[in-house]
Order: sequence, then C-alpha cells, then structure tokens
Amino acid sequence: DGGITQSPKYLFRKEGQNVTLSCEQNLNHDAMYWYRQDPGQGLRLIYYSQIVNDFQKGDIAEGYSVSREKKESFPLTVTSAQKNPTAFYLCASSPDRTGIFGYTFGSGTRLTVV
Amino acid sequence: AQSVTQLGSHVSVSEGALVLLRCNYSSSVPPYLFWYVQYPNQGLQLLLKYTTGATLVKGINGFEAEFKKSETSFHLTKPSAHMSDAAEYFCAVCTGGYQKVTFGTGTKLQVIP
Repeated sequence: DGGITQSPKYLFRKEGQNVTLSCEQNLNHDAMYWYRQDPGQGLRLIYYSQIVNDFQKGDIAEGYSVSREKKESFPLTVTSAQKNPTAFYLCASSPDRTGIFGYTFGSGTRLTVV
Repeated sequence: AQSVTQLGSHVSVSEGALVLLRCNYSSSVPPYLFWYVQYPNQGLQLLLKYTTGATLVKGINGFEAEFKKSETSFHLTKPSAHMSDAAEYFCAVCTGGYQKVTFGTGTKLQVIP
C-alpha cells in the first residue's frame, strides 16, 4: 500500500547533538512538508519542498535543516541550534504544490531531549 | 490571505449524542476545506474535503460537514457519537494557487460513556 513512512517512531537526543528524522513516501507525490506539533499549538510548518532539489522555509525553520535529493525522501535534521526540540514531528505529502487534494501524513516521530 | 478558526479546544459529548465541531474560515477566494482526525501518537488522517459542487460532504466513520459560504463555516457533525470517535480534529483551508494549507489549532473530542 502507498503511504508515508516516518522513522524512528521515538527518538532521544542529548544536548548539543544533531539528529535526523526520516520521511519516505511511495505515493509519487511532488510536494512534501515537515510540521512540528506541540500541545495546544496545532501544527506549525517547519520546511516544505514542492519539487526535487528545492525547498522553502516555513514558519519555524530556525534550528532545522532539510534536503530533497530524491522525490520520495525528505529528511529533517534537528540541529543543536534548536533550543527546544522536544515535540512530535509530522511529515506530509501532497500530489501537487497547490494542496487542493489534501495531505497524506506519516505516523510521526516523537523527539525527546534527555 | 487565508485562515481558519476552530471554536472550542475541547468538546465533550455523551456516547450516542450529536457531535458538532465548529470551524470558520477566512479566504479572499473560493476555498478548499478539509477535516482531519488525529488519534494519540499518530499522524493526521483525512476525514473529508470540500472542493466544489455539493455543499454537504460525507466522509469516513459517519462524519459529514456542510460548506456555508454566507457564514464562512465548515462545521463537522456526526449524528451519534461512538467511543472510538475520541480524538483530536483539525479543520484546514487551502485556496490553491500554490498557497500552503492552513490548519486550525484543533479540537479534542471526549466521548463520555
């Protein structure tokens, strides 16, 4: 079945450490997105990519980085510059850049700083 | 510009009662509207969407929503709540034209036995 796979489901990060969250889709979707979810704050957009080898900052990009070398993959790196990284991270994709068909979401990665 | 407002961050209903989750949007052009559901520690799942045409949209799990342009609303309803409906629900709006989807802040639905 087609879908989005996020891994790992749980991730623990030490202070000052960079970590990378994986997001893979086999839906042949053009656009991919990373959201951060904190209790009571809904979804906040970190980065998005509407085509391979191109990506744009979202509303809260500071302390994060991404790449889009392949259509099916959009990994997110949480760098040591992100001072409060503990959150639930969601990856999503859409067939095209307009968003009018809705998004398909992965099952999320919960990142905790220890 | 586009925005969406969900009224009530928490809603409680008794099992078997009507579910009504409110969503109002703001858009300068005809919108595309969505409702998503999120169960604990899971991603969001599309419940239903309005694009064009019929204003009453039916989705999965017995949910439906009605697009009311005059009220700029897209409220989600279900005639009879089930325990399995307990989750967080997000309303979202998109205006196309390469604008990203804007999500509401979510409404947590509690179903009381």
